[in-house]
Amino acid sequence: QKEVEQDPGPLSVPEGAIVSLNCTYSNSAFQYFMWYRQYSRKGPELLMYTYSSGNKEDGRFTAQVDKSSKYISLFIRDSQPSDSATYLCAMIQQGAGNMLTFGGGTRLMVKP
Amino acid sequence: NAGVTQTPKFQVLKTGQSMTLQCAQDMNHEYMSWYRQDPGMGLRLIHYSVGAGITDQGEVPNGYNVSRSTTEDFPLRLLSAAPSQTSVYFCASSSGDTQYFGPGTRLTVL
Repeated sequence: QKEVEQDPGPLSVPEGAIVSLNCTYSNSAFQYFMWYRQYSRKGPELLMYTYSSGNKEDGRFTAQVDKSSKYISLFIRDSQPSDSATYLCAMIQQGAGNMLTFGGGTRLMVKP
Repeated sequence: NAGVTQTPKFQVLKTGQSMTLQCAQDMNHEYMSWYRQDPGMGLRLIHYSVGAGITDQGEVPNGYNVSRSTTEDFPLRLLSAAPSQTSVYFCASSSGDTQYFGPGTRLTVL
């Protein structure tokens, strides 16, 4: 069983929809949580970073962490075609420096 | 700033050949790492370095070597390529909480 599970999709939504992307994890040592966005044939880029349970908002993006349930989410409001990409969750264990453990990624398609 | 650069962009090898994937960064970051990305697997850490002269293994190090003689460069060597090493390879460097990824090298081993 992978340490970090993510539904691979693809997830197809109409423009303007609210998108919910999720990851579950099994290792309670994970303390830092990130969401990366990866466009086709490009490297991942950091979208959101959080280290505590609760919500963190940045423009149209909200990251949610529930450590008790080992569950993290990324919400995208008013989704745009330019949001079409693969979204990867990533986590770091306490004391593991910068070593990221990634989920498999969810491919999102936002249709005009 | 060019950020993180990787060469080549594409490479085809035959089984048993060796090659070096190049990675360079101009942000003076101490931490650099190599990942491979396979369909449905996300990115998996191959090797990482916390500074010049210091390297360590990640999750999937077998078949790969690294060295870090300067802060800027972190090459990844495939000693004897195998079809199982067909993948997309990403180099990253980081300062604090943010890792910056290069554009990737697509490697096919026949």
